[in-house]
Amino acid sequence: QKEVEQNSGPLSVPEGAIASLNCTYSDRGSQSFFWYRQYSGKSPELIMSIYSNGDKEDGRFTAQLNKASQYVSLLIRDSQPSDSATYLCAVSGAGNNRKLIWGLGTSLAVNP
Amino acid sequence: KAGVTQTPRYLIKTRGQQVTLSCSPISGHRSVSWYQQTPGQGLQFLFEYFSETQRNKGNFPGRFSGRQFSNSRSEMNVSTLELGDSALYLCASKRDSYTGELFFGEGSRLTVL
Repeated sequence: QKEVEQNSGPLSVPEGAIASLNCTYSDRGSQSFFWYRQYSGKSPELIMSIYSNGDKEDGRFTAQLNKASQYVSLLIRDSQPSDSATYLCAVSGAGNNRKLIWGLGTSLAVNP
Repeated sequence: KAGVTQTPRYLIKTRGQQVTLSCSPISGHRSVSWYQQTPGQGLQFLFEYFSETQRNKGNFPGRFSGRQFSNSRSEMNVSTLELGDSALYLCASKRDSYTGELFFGEGSRLTVL
C-alpha cells in the first residue's frame, strides 16, 4: 500500500516566522512531488512541484526533496495570516500509471 | 482562460436516489480526474479519464461511475445513494495523463438525507 504521510497539525506559527511542513512517502520509485494549498471551503490549488533532489524556490515558498530519505518539505518564509490553510502533499510514481497518492494534509495557522 | 467548471455546486438528495455531476475542464486539457473529499478521509481518488478512456480507477464501489465525452467534458454518476456518500466531489483537469499538476474546480457538495 503506497502511502503519503503528513502531520495533521494544527501547526501554529506567528506572523513573519518560517513555517515548515513535512511529508514522507513509502514508494521509493516515486518521481514527482506536489504541494497543494486548500483554504477552508475552497478547492485545492497547486503551489509547488518538485521533481529532483534539492531545493526549489518560488517567492516565499521553498520545496525541498530528499529521495534517499523519502521526504519532501515545504518552507514558507515570512508567513502571513493569508497563508493559513491546509497544505496537501501529493506524490506520483513513474511509468504509465502515475496516479497521485495524497496525504491527509497539515493545517497551518499563522497568528497575527 | 476559463478554469474548471463544475455543476451543480450544491445538491441535496435522499437515500436510494442517483446523482449526476458535470465537469468542464480547462480548454486544451484532455485529462479529467474525480475526487471525493470528506473531513475524515481526505482526498479520495475516484477515477481519471483521458481522451474518453478511463485510465485509472480508485477503490470505490461500482455505484460510482464516470465517462468523458469527445470535447473532454466529464460526468460522474452515483447510483443508489447512501448517507456516507455525502461529500465534496472535486473535478480536476490537467493537460495530459502524465503530469500531477492538477487544476481543480470549485466542487459539487452533495448532501444525502
